[in-house]
Amino acid sequence: DGGITQSPKYLFRKEGQNVTLSCEQNLNHDAMYWYRQDPGQGLRLIYYSQIVNDFQKGDIAEGYSVSREKKESFPLTVTSAQKNPTAFYLCASSQGIGAAFFGQGTRLTVV
Amino acid sequence: KNQVEQSPQSLIILEGKNCTLQCNYTVSPFSNLRWYKQDTGRGPVSLTIMTFSENTKSNGRYTATLDADTKQSSLHITASQLSDSASYICVVSALGDSWGKLQFGAGTQVVVTP
Repeated sequence: DGGITQSPKYLFRKEGQNVTLSCEQNLNHDAMYWYRQDPGQGLRLIYYSQIVNDFQKGDIAEGYSVSREKKESFPLTVTSAQKNPTAFYLCASSQGIGAAFFGQGTRLTVV
Repeated sequence: KNQVEQSPQSLIILEGKNCTLQCNYTVSPFSNLRWYKQDTGRGPVSLTIMTFSENTKSNGRYTATLDADTKQSSLHITASQLSDSASYICVVSALGDSWGKLQFGAGTQVVVTP
């Protein structure tokens, strides 16, 4: 089945630790995105990539990093510089301006 | 300031009843508007997408309307079912913007009770 797979579903991070969230898609989409979702707020864009080996900062990129070495993969690293990382993280992909497909999300909690 | 405002923030309806959700936006120039359904703890799923020339679009029991002049959209749920309990998100894009520039509403949380 075609789709987007995020892992893990739940992730716990200790203070000062870097963690990496995985996002893989088999839809052959060129564009991939990372969003952060907090209660009562709309999705906010962290990073996006429209082509392999290229990515752009979104509205809240500070404290995050990404790579796009393969078309199907767009991992997100939450670094220790991100002071409030507890949130629900969503990965998405799209082709052109069609509807985007979202993964099932990763819930990150700082412990 | 968010360019997409949704109302109400939340609502509770009885199973079998209808309800209407609102989305007002200031995004300009307008390109398209999408409605997504997001179950708790899951990723959003697309319900409808409408461009400037479309004023209504249906997907099963979901009907979206668009008034590009007043910059308003609504999502009507007919004969609600328990599975309709979810957050409904309105997403608007401007002409020429890539997907990275979409404006998301905060969502309306719908609870359908037996």
